Amino acid sequence: AQSVTQLDSQVPVFEEAPVELRCNYSSSVSVYLFWYVQYPNQGLQLLLKYLSGSTLVKGINGFEAEFNKSQTSFHLRKPSVHISDTAEYFCAVSESGTYKYIFGTGTRLKVLA
Amino acid sequence: DAGVIQSPRHEVTEMGQEVTLRCKPISGHNSLFWYRQTMMRGLELLIYFNNNVPIDDSGMPEDRFSAKMPNASFSTLKIQPSEPRDSAVYFCASSTSTDTQYFGPGTRLTVL
Repeated sequence: AQSVTQLDSQVPVFEEAPVELRCNYSSSVSVYLFWYVQYPNQGLQLLLKYLSGSTLVKGINGFEAEFNKSQTSFHLRKPSVHISDTAEYFCAVSESGTYKYIFGTGTRLKVLA
Repeated sequence: DAGVIQSPRHEVTEMGQEVTLRCKPISGHNSLFWYRQTMMRGLELLIYFNNNVPIDDSGMPEDRFSAKMPNASFSTLKIQPSEPRDSAVYFCASSTSTDTQYFGPGTRLTVL
């Protein structure tokens, strides 16, 4: 069975500083990996996804993530955050080609002025 | 393009009452998902439809929950009777493939 671990429940960071949100997964098969963002009182919006190919994936709003198969990680990074990046971020995994996403518990990013 | 539409956005009801949540998927999407989000359990898949047919309802918590998809543009999630522990945010999502699901804004349900 697959699982996703987001070790950090909350990450405070100052505006214009870099940030990394960590995601580790477990699976015995090939996977698709996703990062979604949820702004207050809104649904989840896809930031980026890894399906295959290049391990460095670029998404919207300046975010990127790197797939590391040996460490079973898919950490999300942004070199310089803005106040508007304050939101909850969810990592998800699915067995390649299947519909069932397993979501992590989320990381609340708080960008401070 | 209109995204996934859910109604109502907020619902407050009393224990024992029937609750119906509604979802209109993105036009052309053939897969539809209902999720529940709570602080305790996070985001859980309740049921998955493909081409209007329920494929996986293993996440439906109990018989009080039922979901239908009478056509490609409409789905309902019904709770009857509702209980306080059903209080959560319910999301509908749709997709055309396994590599991206598009989420609606959610319905915040409060059962008193």
